[in-house]
Amino acid sequence: SQKIEQNSEALNIQEGKTATLTCNYTNYSPAYLQWYRQDPGRGPVFLLLIRENEKEKRKERLKVTFDTTLKQSLFHITASQPADSATYLCAPASGSARQLTFGSGTQLTVLP
Amino acid sequence: SQTIHQWPATLVQPVGSPLSLECTVEGTSNPNLYWYRQAAGRGLQLLFYSVGIGQISSEVPQNLSASRPQDRQFILSSKKLLLSDSGFYLCAWRGTGGNIQYFGAGTRLSVL
Repeated sequence: SQKIEQNSEALNIQEGKTATLTCNYTNYSPAYLQWYRQDPGRGPVFLLLIRENEKEKRKERLKVTFDTTLKQSLFHITASQPADSATYLCAPASGSARQLTFGSGTQLTVLP
Repeated sequence: SQTIHQWPATLVQPVGSPLSLECTVEGTSNPNLYWYRQAAGRGLQLLFYSVGIGQISSEVPQNLSASRPQDRQFILSSKKLLLSDSGFYLCAWRGTGGNIQYFGAGTRLSVL
């Protein structure tokens, strides 16, 4: 069955450092992969989408990589700030998929 | 621009009581609509999705049902709530042909 694994432990980093979050998937051949941010008590908010033919995607301080051979996506936040503290969810999907399956998320805390 | 409304924000219901959560979307036509549930500290579980009026797909057999009486309205219901129905319920929409899902603010349901 399809499985998505994100960093099982919460991630604490110091302000100014780069945070790296991992999303591994099995029994998938996704055409694209999305990353969302969720704050406590709120709905997830879309951040980035990367397609299978793209190695890397950037948006301001965010960078996503997609390695279809390793079946892995990495999500980086450079120059992290306490405001980046949240749970980050990944969602790989096939091109024809009407629904998304989300990973359980990684809780990131950026310490001042 | 598109907006999604979900209400109520919080709800406390006794076991055995009925439930009705409503979600409406503005600024788009024929959206795909979704209901998710998120248990405390857990990932998103897709409950139902709909690609059109009266068209409902159920992902998880449970004590809940969904209906789509209008193009931009999606309702989650239960005839008799169970303790296990407690959780954070999220409605989301996706544009036809699009990949990104947009979430509402969520309803925190406590069944006591």
